Amino acid sequence: GDSVTQTEGPVTLSEGTSLTVNCSYETKQYPTLFWYVQYPGEGPQLLFKVPKANEKGSNRGFEATYNKEATSFHLQKASVQESDSAVYYCALMRQGGRALIFGTGTTVSVSP
Amino acid sequence: DPKIIQKPKYLVAVTGSEKILICEQYLGHNAMYWYRQSAKKPLEFMFSYSYQKLMDNQTASSRFQPQSSKKNHLDLQITALKPDDSATYFCASSQDTAETLYFGSGTRLTVL
Repeated sequence: GDSVTQTEGPVTLSEGTSLTVNCSYETKQYPTLFWYVQYPGEGPQLLFKVPKANEKGSNRGFEATYNKEATSFHLQKASVQESDSAVYYCALMRQGGRALIFGTGTTVSVSP
Repeated sequence: DPKIIQKPKYLVAVTGSEKILICEQYLGHNAMYWYRQSAKKPLEFMFSYSYQKLMDNQTASSRFQPQSSKKNHLDLQITALKPDDSATYFCASSQDTAETLYFGSGTRLTVL
């Protein structure tokens, strides 16, 4: 079945440092890949999605490239802020699929 | 204003009882979903509905029954509650299946 594996957290950083959250996926078909972010007390919200291989998605300084050969979709940000503290989820949806499959989530804590 | 309303925000129930979790979306979407988030299985897909018809059911137990009385409603009835059912239940919607999901803020269920 489909699956997503992410960096196991928590990840603790200082403001101004760089962030990488690794994500790898398994599926038999060509998926659309997503990064969602969840703040305390809220539901997950879309950070960005990339439907095509070899393309990059980005939003709010975060970016990830859909690497079909390596089946990876790593999230990066060059300089984090305290407000980036949240849980980050990598997810996939198969072509023609009806369910978004999430990874286990990575808790990121940024200290000032 | 929140576009996906889940009620109640918190719910405490006793083992063996029955509860209904309410979800309404005002995004004009045709597809709705339920996900469950617990310490054991973060963001686990449960059901998907499209135009008020069940499309996918990944829940092994018949104790979980979605109910769609209107196009923008998808409630979740849970019977014979067990402590293991304790989790946060998220409702989500999308324009069509295989599109980006938008999540509500969840109902946190505790079963004593």
